[in-house]
Formats: sequence, C-alpha cells, structure tokens
Amino acid sequence: DAKTTQPNSMESNEEEPVHLPCNHSTISGTDYIHWYRQLPSQGPEYVIHGLTSNVNNRMASLAIAEDRKSSTLILHRATLRDAAVYYCILRDVETSYDKVIFGPGTSLSVIP
Amino acid sequence: ETGVTQTPRHLVMGMTNKKSLKCEQHLGHNAMYWYKQSAKKPLELMFVYSLEERVENNSVPSRFSPECPNSSHLFLHLHTLQPEDSALYLCASSQDNGNYNEQFFGPGTRLTVL
Repeated sequence: DAKTTQPNSMESNEEEPVHLPCNHSTISGTDYIHWYRQLPSQGPEYVIHGLTSNVNNRMASLAIAEDRKSSTLILHRATLRDAAVYYCILRDVETSYDKVIFGPGTSLSVIP
Repeated sequence: ETGVTQTPRHLVMGMTNKKSLKCEQHLGHNAMYWYKQSAKKPLELMFVYSLEERVENNSVPSRFSPECPNSSHLFLHLHTLQPEDSALYLCASSQDNGNYNEQFFGPGTRLTVL
C-alpha cells in the first residue's frame, strides 16, 4: 500500500482557515486520496476524497498537486468542533474490496 | 448518529473470560469491518467481510474470532485475551460495489483486559 506522510500536530485559531498537508510521493495512478477525521471519543468520519482535480464539499476542500505527490485539506473557517485527528489515506480502487489503511494522522488543535 | 451501532460501549474482562462485541448497521451496506485502535497507535484493520464472506484477515490472533451472520450484523468473539488487547474496537460498514464508497464507523467498544 502506498504510504502518506503528515505532520503529527497542528494548531489553528478559531475562525481562521486551516491547511492540513499530506505527502504521498509513491502514489500510483489508480490511488484516490481520501481524508477522514476522528473527533475525540468517536469513530472516524469521512471528510472528502479526490483523484486529480480539486474537490469541494460542505465540510472542506481538497487541493491536489498537479503531480499528485501531495495534497492539502482546507478547512475554510476552523471551529472548536474541528479539533480532531485528520487522516490522509490512499485507496487503491483496483483492490477487490474496500480497504482503508490509516496512518497516525495530524492532531489539529483549535484555539478559541 | 452514523447508522452504525456498537454494543457494549465499554467492556472490562478477565483473561479467562469469553465475551462478544456486536455491531449493527442500518444503512443497507454489504461490507463490514473490524478495526483495532490501541493507545497512541494508528487504526489497524483486523477483518473485512464483503457480502457476508471474510475477504481479509490481517494476521489477527485466533483469540479474536469474527462472525457475520448477515449483511447487517457483525460480531467479534473474544476469548483468553491478553492485557495488550485492551483497545478501542471499531466497526465500520460500506457499500462495496467496485467503486469507492466511504466507510461509516460506529462509536467503538472500549475494551479493558485485566
């Protein structure tokens, strides 16, 4: 499985934008980039995913580098509720079933 | 509420006990998963069931025994566990149809082995 590298932790001020980076230099052509987050005392939840083009949804935006070796999850206005561990994951759609391999993720703290 | 429920939410057991964790999904999905999350470690995929057949078993010790009687229910039977098995056990489900579909996670069962 292709691996991802993320900073261990980041801080953001409330209501400021947050850019969470992820490096995936060994990404293959069929790997989708996925982001999940895990709030304290909860299971992970899906945030967003993409392949080549930038993506937006109600939770966040995903900016993918042109060479696809890195990506950035963007939270446009951080709230206290966004304090969580954010996981960047590569999913190979050529596997015969859904398989998600989590790394250590980035622990995001939001300062009031 | 994610549509995936897990019971019990907390469990304390001795090393000689036998217990079971239960997961139920109300989303009509056809794939279910067990993950283990130990303190300060990434989530580890343990078992995958697709269409009620086990398709992945990541070298999990035999003291963990999964069961998937139908597409909505998943169990993890536990026996003669070790203290290092204390962790958060998470269940997830997804619709496995050859395309990417997000996984929905339950709240987990916090297991402590004494």
